[in-house]
Amino acid sequence: EAGVAQSPRYKIIEKRQSVAFWCNPISGHATLYWYQQILGQGPKLLIQFQNNGVVDDSQLPKDRFSAERLKGVDSTLKIQPAKLEDSAVYLCASSLGAGVKAFFGQGTRLTVV
Amino acid sequence: GESVGLHLPTLSVQEGDNSIINCAYSNSASDYFIWYKQESGKGPQFIIDIRSNMDKRQGQRVTVLLNKTVKHLSLQIAATQPGDSAVYFCAEGRGGSEKLVFGKGTKLTVNP
Repeated sequence: EAGVAQSPRYKIIEKRQSVAFWCNPISGHATLYWYQQILGQGPKLLIQFQNNGVVDDSQLPKDRFSAERLKGVDSTLKIQPAKLEDSAVYLCASSLGAGVKAFFGQGTRLTVV
Repeated sequence: GESVGLHLPTLSVQEGDNSIINCAYSNSASDYFIWYKQESGKGPQFIIDIRSNMDKRQGQRVTVLLNKTVKHLSLQIAATQPGDSAVYFCAEGRGGSEKLVFGKGTKLTVNP
């Protein structure tokens, strides 16, 4: 079974630039999550989708971050404009539904300089 | 405030010993808990989960214990191997959306 796919693996941008990350969840998984993991910390949930609807985006900095999951499969997370403190690993995860184990992708390591 | 945390940020054990990693949670409404292992440069990998209607659950070389009275969760790894070296996170399922909230993690180092 293929896992959660993310791209790119690494990205370096200058502050105030924009960046987008892509995620392809495990086939059949209705729930998709985007997490931000700052070095030395645990992952922090940014947004949770159930199919193509948003379940929780309470910790998403909506002035600069946006995410969509058109057609309820792939998802993209965008940051515009980026700040230095956005440097982190962005993890995508998926699960069959809410309240069950989630499987993570390798993550995208973002460095903002 | 409510949080999921770990008692020890680092743990060092000898190969072959048993390891115990602890986690405290404060939200008594949480009813689902997961342990993840994260190796350097990789995403978290599912190890084992437990629901609040259970006290103990066993997997291959791993056991999770849940003490709801003191809101404590532990992960026991039997016969720890060098490949077990990683950061271990407990995650708590809370709220109607069942979103997972992660603790800070414990770094396990296995010495040969």
